[in-house]
Amino acid sequence: AQSVTQPDIHITVSEGASLELRCNYSYGATPYLFWYVQSPGQGLQLLLKYFSGDTLVQGIKGFEAEFKRSQSSFNLRKPSVHWSDAAEYFCAVGALPGGGNKLTFGTGTQLKVEL
Amino acid sequence: ETGVTQTPRHLVMGMTNKKSLKCEQHLGHNAMYWYKQSAKKPLELMFVYSLEERVENNSVPSRFSPECPNSSHLFLHLHTLQPEDSALYLCASTRGTGATEAFFGQGTRLTVV
Repeated sequence: AQSVTQPDIHITVSEGASLELRCNYSYGATPYLFWYVQSPGQGLQLLLKYFSGDTLVQGIKGFEAEFKRSQSSFNLRKPSVHWSDAAEYFCAVGALPGGGNKLTFGTGTQLKVEL
Repeated sequence: ETGVTQTPRHLVMGMTNKKSLKCEQHLGHNAMYWYKQSAKKPLELMFVYSLEERVENNSVPSRFSPECPNSSHLFLHLHTLQPEDSALYLCASTRGTGATEAFFGQGTRLTVV
């Protein structure tokens, strides 16, 4: 069974500082990996995804993530955080159960940005 | 702006009530999903529909009953719920059987009293 671990429940960074959110996954085959962001009272918005190819993927809002198969990790990074980045971030791994795309999510990391 | 619309945004219901959540997607996708988001727990996949057929049911109690009348609409019928069913219910859609990204609605915040 696939699983996702986000070891940091809460992270606080200063505006302008760099950010790295950790994600580790467990999956038997080549994973399809995603990062989503959720602002309060909102649904999930896709930041970026990895299916194959270049292991460093670029997403929206200046985010990037690097797939490291040897470490089973897909950490999210941003070089300079903005106050508007305060939200909850979810890492997810996808599988294809013969129809549709079944996502397994981590428990999320709540990001607080100090001005 | 989202291509997946959920109504209502908020719902308070008693344990003996019957209500329905609605999801509509305007993206031309042919797979739709219900997820449950509870505090301090990972999002839980409840149901998957592909081409209007249910392809997955993750051991969800029968008090939750999904319906997918066409590829654009998905419902979640609720009856005799429990207070622990209070959560944010998220609908999502994907283009189909490929490893494509899921688009989420804004969710329905359900409170069972």
